[in-house]
Amino acid sequence: GQQVMQIPQYQHVQEGEDFTTYCNSSTTLSNIQWYKQRPGGHPVFLIQLVKSGEVKKQKRLTFQFGEAKKNSSLHITATQTTDVGTYFCAGFGYSGGGADGLTFGKGTHLIIQP
Amino acid sequence: SQTIHQWPATLVQPVGSPLSLECTVEGTSNPNLYWYRQAAGRGLQLLFYSVGIGQISSEVPQNLSASRPQDRQFILSSKKLLLSDSGFYLCAWSPGVTGELFFGEGSRLTVL
Repeated sequence: GQQVMQIPQYQHVQEGEDFTTYCNSSTTLSNIQWYKQRPGGHPVFLIQLVKSGEVKKQKRLTFQFGEAKKNSSLHITATQTTDVGTYFCAGFGYSGGGADGLTFGKGTHLIIQP
Repeated sequence: SQTIHQWPATLVQPVGSPLSLECTVEGTSNPNLYWYRQAAGRGLQLLFYSVGIGQISSEVPQNLSASRPQDRQFILSSKKLLLSDSGFYLCAWSPGVTGELFFGEGSRLTVL
């Protein structure tokens, strides 16, 4: 079945440094989504990428979808303490397309040291 | 606007006791509904999903079950809890098959 690998598992940064998390799928994806989960909270949808090579920005966050639609990245510029949390990618494969077609990565825990 | 409610927020149950977690969605009709479990510091495991009333699909074998008695109500149950059932349970809905997920605030279950 489809697998989505996400690295790194943990990332410690100093406040103000940049952060990047990477997501790789074993199969081509129809789209990929990114979620953020604050400590003790629930995942919150950030963005969805659909097109090959797509790049989207949300303030200090930049999301990319690879040309082959098998990988994606989330880059945060100049991290702030409010960025702390776990970032998940989740990809939809082409094989099923049904309600169970979304596969989550295991997430990257971002820890920021002031 | 659409909202999702999930309860109870926290639950401590003895091994062998029953479980019932409830989730309701407001402001939309015929949503896709999901139950996920998240072990401490881990990713999200899909347990059940439903595309309509009475339609339940299970992703993993376990001693849990789900039901959808009404269009916007999703219930997660167990007759006898195991220690391994401890975790953070999240209900979610989506407007379509490939749409984004909107999660409830979660139910933290501890089985002792």
